[in-house]
Amino acid sequence: SQQGEEDPQALSIQEGENATMNCSYKTSINNLQWYRQNSGRGLVHLILIRSNEREKHSGRLRVTLDTSKKSSSLLITASRAADTASYFCATDANSGYSTLTFGKGTMLLVSP
Amino acid sequence: DTAVSQTPKYLVTQMGNDKSIKCEQNLGHDTMYWYKQDSKKFLKIMFSYNNKELIINETVPNRFSPKSPDKAHLNLHINSLELGDSAVYFCASSQGGPQHFGDGTRLSIL
Repeated sequence: SQQGEEDPQALSIQEGENATMNCSYKTSINNLQWYRQNSGRGLVHLILIRSNEREKHSGRLRVTLDTSKKSSSLLITASRAADTASYFCATDANSGYSTLTFGKGTMLLVSP
Repeated sequence: DTAVSQTPKYLVTQMGNDKSIKCEQNLGHDTMYWYKQDSKKFLKIMFSYNNKELIINETVPNRFSPKSPDKAHLNLHINSLELGDSAVYFCASSQGGPQHFGDGTRLSIL
């Protein structure tokens, strides 16, 4: 069954603007991960946030996690045309083997 | 030195045929996966192997049979292909943390 639901489904912004994507999930998790997928390519891991963490940064990325609301957000600051891609959240409910359940993704278009 | 490589990248075939997709990872990871991504980009886990042992089989038709000859390889064999099998199939590997994906195999059934 599908776990994550990203919002919005599609987002179009100008270079230099910030992009925020949200993810909601249904069950308890061990961690939540965000991935990027460029057209015609595989998914690339961006950031992992554990269930006991509330916020994490990596370069221009900022991820928050609210386990009480079962939601996460991904903020990309000062976006670039190269950030154009689909972004997926994935929840991992296991503490042993990693078993990810993906959402449907947000398609981000950054125009020059 | 691609970390997770899949072959072929494209596969076009007739309904009813049998085909295989190969996957190899050079990351030394213990766990490998197969995912199916449909036309709406929804990505769903199919199988997971840890050290050549099957640990996840997500209600996939038994026409799909994964084979792991060693922990660096996880191949996917599909029998009696159907129109609904058209999708992009991704292989991935991990060592308990983030997963590393191949670039996918686009399977088109005519």
